Amino acid sequence: NAGVTQTPKFQVLKTGQSMTLQCAQDMNHNSMYWYRQDPGMGLRLIYYSASEGTTDKGEVPNGYNVSRLNKREFSLRLESAAPSQTSVYFCASSESQGYGYTFGSGTRLTVV
Amino acid sequence: RKEVEQDPGPFNVPEGATVAFNCTYSNSASQSFFWYRQDCRKEPKLLMSVYSSGNEDGRFTAQLNRASQYISLLIRDSKLSDSATYLCVVNILTDSSYKLIFGSGTRLLVRP
Repeated sequence: NAGVTQTPKFQVLKTGQSMTLQCAQDMNHNSMYWYRQDPGMGLRLIYYSASEGTTDKGEVPNGYNVSRLNKREFSLRLESAAPSQTSVYFCASSESQGYGYTFGSGTRLTVV
Repeated sequence: RKEVEQDPGPFNVPEGATVAFNCTYSNSASQSFFWYRQDCRKEPKLLMSVYSSGNEDGRFTAQLNRASQYISLLIRDSKLSDSATYLCVVNILTDSSYKLIFGSGTRLLVRP
């Protein structure tokens, strides 16, 4: 039972490059989320998808886009990476909003 | 003001000690409450939900005071394996969607 799988685990980008973080869950969860975690800031919600076909902005959406490809997959795209986007990114899913989040193991992104 | 505030610690305690963490939240519309545990360089994992009547799970006891907008976690008989960061989490209803808001975490170090 894989749970929530994130790829890649580590990535180094140059300023201005683009990339997509992938997330897939095999628990048939309806809701999926992208968070970033920075020292002293806790986890901050970037975007979420309450159900397949819907996406909404969270607390810190600027510089990011998302796609809920199907019920299993929710990707996060950085169109033009900036050093301020250096962070650890976590994807999570839940059967219903706000309950029982399962997190992926994270992507450590460095933008130089 | 942060929506969820925690003392960052670290709390440095000997094995067998009892330790308590507190957390305050600002949004009176908060619906439900949780404690998550996060080990170094790992993803957060749900430790326990917090109910108004208070609840206990083995050595862990959680309390909620809605009037004071205050949540606590008590750990009895601390083990070395309890060393981690403990995240206070609040479920808030905004714009017809529920979202989890995470505190920055309280770090616990249990020494032999």
